[in-house]
Amino acid sequence: RKEVEQDPGPFNVPEGATVAFNCTYSNSASQSFFWYRQDCRKEPKLLMSVYSSGNEDGRFTAQLNRASQYISLLIRDSKLSDSATYLCVVNIWGGSYIPTFGRGTSLIVHP
Amino acid sequence: DVKVTQSSRYLVKRTGEKVFLECVQDMDHENMFWYRQDPGLGLRLIYFSYDVKMKEKGDIPEGYSVSREKKERFSLILESASTNQTSMYLCASSGDRDRGYEQYFGPGTRLTVT
Repeated sequence: RKEVEQDPGPFNVPEGATVAFNCTYSNSASQSFFWYRQDCRKEPKLLMSVYSSGNEDGRFTAQLNRASQYISLLIRDSKLSDSATYLCVVNIWGGSYIPTFGRGTSLIVHP
Repeated sequence: DVKVTQSSRYLVKRTGEKVFLECVQDMDHENMFWYRQDPGLGLRLIYFSYDVKMKEKGDIPEGYSVSREKKERFSLILESASTNQTSMYLCASSGDRDRGYEQYFGPGTRLTVT
């Protein structure tokens, strides 16, 4: 079983919609959590960290549920420019921090 | 602003050639990583290093080696390139404990082995 799992999608939504992605992780030694955004043929870029209390950055809200071992990303008022692949990343402590990536969720926002 | 640079954006090599991919970061990060990314397989960790001259195998180290002689530089070496090593190679660094060791990526090197 993969340590970090995401629904690959694609999620196909109209502009202005609200969309949510989930990511589950299996290793309880997971220490820190992130969402990255990756555009086609580009490198991943940090979108936001995910904190236990939940955090918001503009239209984006991230939440962590340690008991159920999942993190989520909510995007409100979707824009065409939000179209990308969203990667869930979990840092697992094993003597040093080892990042584990999900395979990504594809989002397509259409007019 | 963190900057991670990679020596080439595109590279074409022949089977059997020795290939060097260079990565440099300017944030004094102690951790550096090499990944490859293939369609449908996501990012896979090849090697990482948490200090100068230290290296650890990732999930797919076979056919690769690495070198970290200076803190800012992490090199990936393909001793004898093969066609199944055609891929996008991404370097990353991290080092800020207060930020949970979030990673910063270079722009990637798209390697084609013919």
